[in-house]
Amino acid sequence: AQRVTQPEKLLSVFKGAPVELKCNYSYSGSPELFWYVQYSRQRLQLLLRHISRESIKGFTADLNKGETSFHLKKPFAQEEDSAMYYCALKRNTGGFKTIFGAGTRLFVKA
Amino acid sequence: GAVVSQHPSWVICKSGTSVKIECRSLDFQATTMFWYRQFPKQSLMLMATSNEGSKATYEQGVEKDKFLINHASLTLSTLTVTSAHPEDSSFYICSARDSRTSEAFFGQGTRLTVV
Repeated sequence: AQRVTQPEKLLSVFKGAPVELKCNYSYSGSPELFWYVQYSRQRLQLLLRHISRESIKGFTADLNKGETSFHLKKPFAQEEDSAMYYCALKRNTGGFKTIFGAGTRLFVKA
Repeated sequence: GAVVSQHPSWVICKSGTSVKIECRSLDFQATTMFWYRQFPKQSLMLMATSNEGSKATYEQGVEKDKFLINHASLTLSTLTVTSAHPEDSSFYICSARDSRTSEAFFGQGTRLTVV
């Protein structure tokens, strides 16, 4: 069965410190992985996807198939990064359902 | 960018009544839309996949007679919570998948409170 695990419910770092939000997945096929972000009082929005191999707002995420991980990283956290982050897996068959992890709340302290 | 609009943003209803939530893709066509439910401080739980012109596919444990889904056009899907009870109170979010790009966009959510 497919599953997305985000082990940390809350991550608190100081401004300027590196941040890593962990995500592990289980899926028998070839998944498509995403990170979504939800800022306070705003809707969920796509942050980045693994197939794009892009850096958005300084965040990057590398798909590690051996470790089945897709951790989100940023070298220097900013206060405006404080938000709820969800790792998500989209099946590439059977309806293309997207399954979300439990989410990690990132709090960047001044 | 693509916009998905949910209506209403919030609704309060009495136990036993039904509530309809609309999800519209405003500037793209969405053959597939998804309905999620989010409990306080929890993640989004996929309830069902809505396909234009056909029956919705429900996730295990989701009552299809309780949560009626209609996807009558390429830009509109509706979720009707029938005979609502207080335990149905939750935040319901829809997502529409752009038929052209396959990218999914989220609505702003609907907070349902059943009293």
